[in-house]
Amino acid sequence: DAGVIQSPRHEVTEMGQEVTLRCKPISGHDYLFWYRQTMMRGLELLIYFNNNVPIDDSGMPEDRFSAKMPNASFSTLKIQPSEPRDSAVYFCASSPGQGAYEKLFFGSGTQLSVL
Amino acid sequence: AQTVTQSQPEMSVQEAETVTLSCTYDTSESDYYLFWYKQPPSRQMILVIRQEAYKQQNATENRFSVNFQKAAKSFSLKISDSQLGDAAMYFCAYSGGSNYKLTFGKGTLLTVNP
Repeated sequence: DAGVIQSPRHEVTEMGQEVTLRCKPISGHDYLFWYRQTMMRGLELLIYFNNNVPIDDSGMPEDRFSAKMPNASFSTLKIQPSEPRDSAVYFCASSPGQGAYEKLFFGSGTQLSVL
Repeated sequence: AQTVTQSQPEMSVQEAETVTLSCTYDTSESDYYLFWYKQPPSRQMILVIRQEAYKQQNATENRFSVNFQKAAKSFSLKISDSQLGDAAMYFCAYSGGSNYKLTFGKGTLLTVNP
């Protein structure tokens, strides 16, 4: 298996633009997590899905952020409009069975820079 | 809410020596899971070790072992025979209760000196 695949690896955009981050989880994994990493706040859980259904989105910072999982093999995290404070590394992770009780398999992350 | 605290922002160790990274957590759950993840400069998050709270025996993975003190809510990571490739950011993490999510500490940056 290729592991969790995220795209793009780097994204540079201007304030006010729409940004879409993409994630392909490992086949057969029931859970998908979106995390954001910054120097100030560390790793923060934004949202997670179980069997394509959003379970906990309490970490989504505001209405500018939205996440979808239309099927078991694809998820998106969208920021519209983007702001400089959204600059961070965004990780997608998946896991089988019992979610975060098990090992999380992380993608390589998307480095987002909003100018 | 569960919290994870790593009190050492940075640590350094000489190659081949042993180093211990500290982690404490706060929870009201009786059953939970604890993890150490490693993030090298490539930024890929890698699981180092996992501990189930109901197991009294400390987990070990080759040169990596933990000291799990449930009553004290402490979960330290010991790295023996440190290697240059161990240099990375290390994150302690907690998962427990009915919410299947992982909460991370702020991390400890480990430097390995040759």
